[in-house]
Amino acid sequence: KAGVTQTPRYLIKTRGQQVTLSCSPISGHRSVSWYQQTPGQGLQFLFEYFSETQRNKGNFPGRFSGRQFSNSRSEMNVSTLELGDSALYLCASSRRSGGVNNEQFFGPGTRLTVL
Amino acid sequence: GQQLNQSPQSMFIQEGEDVSMNCTSSSIFNTWLWYKQDPGEGPVLLIALYKAGELTSNGRLTAQFGITRKDSFLNISASIPSDVGIYFCAGQLFTNAGKSTFGDGTTLTVKP
Repeated sequence: KAGVTQTPRYLIKTRGQQVTLSCSPISGHRSVSWYQQTPGQGLQFLFEYFSETQRNKGNFPGRFSGRQFSNSRSEMNVSTLELGDSALYLCASSRRSGGVNNEQFFGPGTRLTVL
Repeated sequence: GQQLNQSPQSMFIQEGEDVSMNCTSSSIFNTWLWYKQDPGEGPVLLIALYKAGELTSNGRLTAQFGITRKDSFLNISASIPSDVGIYFCAGQLFTNAGKSTFGDGTTLTVKP
């Protein structure tokens, strides 16, 4: 079974631009969660999508948004990029069965650099 | 919000030694997860724990879900060079299943 895939793997943008990152979950997984990883803040939860609806949201500004499609693939968008948005953006998928066996499996991440 | 304290922050050990790291939380979790991350890659799930007191092994790795539900530990026996990496603990609540709260990680260096 193929793992979680993320595209692109690397991205360089300038301040003020916007960016869209893509995530394809493991087949059969309906939940996709996004995390931001930085050296200073560690792994921070951005949001989760399940059945095309945002179910949970972390403490990030409205510039960070996402969506999920009917095939469970998800995209994350960051508008008006700031230098501090430079990070590794990780996508994780799970079955989200409502209780146990809800392990999250991560993709390789997208390394975003904002200049 | 919930926070996880993971310790130690880093470890330098000799090949063949055993390793122990742990996570504590100010509040309970329903699920504890342990991940390993190599440079430039996403975290890889090592062990998942679902019940207080549960002890689970995966090869040379053993992890336990604390009885209070507020802590967990991971042991690595007979370390080898490929164990090098950053180990993260993560907690989940049933009511917030799509969100994992992560510790700050333990960086493990193994000297051959």
